[in-house]
Order: sequence, then C-alpha cells, then structure tokens
Amino acid sequence: KNEVEQSPQNLTAQEGEFITINCSYSVGISALHWLQQHPGGGIVSLFMLSSGKKKHGRLIATINIQEKHSSLHITASHPRDSAVYICAVPEGGNQFYFGTGTSLTVIP
Amino acid sequence: EPEVTQTPSHQVTQMGQEVILRCVPISNHLYFYWYRQILGQKVEFLVSFYNNEISEKSEIFDDQFSVERPDGSNFTLKIRSTKLEDSAMYFCASSQDNSREQYFGPGTRLTVT
Repeated sequence: KNEVEQSPQNLTAQEGEFITINCSYSVGISALHWLQQHPGGGIVSLFMLSSGKKKHGRLIATINIQEKHSSLHITASHPRDSAVYICAVPEGGNQFYFGTGTSLTVIP
Repeated sequence: EPEVTQTPSHQVTQMGQEVILRCVPISNHLYFYWYRQILGQKVEFLVSFYNNEISEKSEIFDDQFSVERPDGSNFTLKIRSTKLEDSAMYFCASSQDNSREQYFGPGTRLTVT
C-alpha cells in the first residue's frame, strides 16, 4: 500500500504570494495526480504527471520520481485559489491512494 | 465541455435500505471509478470498471457494494443494507484510458439515518 503524505496540512497566504504544496509517497509509481477540491466539495483534476514539470496558467507541478516527491506551486495566488489540494497516486492498475489534502486559504 | 454528471445530489435513506447512486460518465470514456469521502476525511478509492467488469477494488468495496453499467451511458453504484457509516460523499469519475486524467462528477451526498 502506498503511503501518501502531504505538507503542509493547512496554509494561509496573502494574495499575490507564491505557494508550494508538497506530496511524498512510499512506493514507486508511473504517474501522480494533483486534484483541487472546491469548498462546495467538487473535485477537479489539475495535473497528471509522470516526470519533470507541467504548467497550466499560474499552476506548476513538478515530480521527482527517484525521490518519490512532487510539488504543486501557485504563482501570484488569488482568493479564488482557496481550496483543498490533493495528490493521488495509482497502485496496481487503477487503484488510487489519496493524500489527506492541503487546505489553502488566500486572504485578499 | 463534456462533464460527468451524478444523481441525486443528495440522498437520505434509512439504515438497512438499499440505495443506487447514478453517474453518467463522459461519452467516449472507457474507464469508470467510484470514490468515497467521509466528512472531514480523505478521498478513498472504491472501485474501477473497464470493459463491463471490475478491474480493481479496494478493501472497502465488499459484498455490500456492486457496480453496473446497465446501458451505454449510466454507471451505477448500489449499496445494499446501508449502515450509518456509509454516510459520505460519493464521487464518480471517468477517463479515456487509465493513463489519462480523470474527470470527476459533482458527487452524491449520502446520509444514512
């Protein structure tokens, strides 16, 4: 079973700040998912990455497969970025393990 | 943009009753998933489904649970003899293949009283 840990658990930032959320896992994987869960509960897939770095707007995700670690960065944070950010890793074919999430609050 | 839909948005049922949660995945997707999130806890994988059969299931997905794709569009999760601890948000997701990102539905909040 893959142990997925995220840090920090909670994060408060001022609008405009650069934010980093970390995810580490215990068993080697082929790809890692970053998800965003809105305050209303809905889940949106942000990234799926297996190596290097991906960028989408103000969001950047990186992964180091050898170190079993991934980071999600948000540049120029905005109050609408306030959400829970979750990393998830596959095990076996299609079973996924989820981190406990990082609750981000961006203050205007 | 195509999206995954789920019905109902909220289901209240009495302990011991059977419930069916419904999902309509994105039409050209081939892999389907159910997840559960108990209030305040992390999302948990329940089951994945491909080619009309279960491809993976977690320890949570015991004989109380079953999934079905009764027609070309719906994907259902049946929970028999519900228990209080089945109260949770249930999310359906779909993907084109198992190496691509998953698209999540808005969830069904199940309350067992």
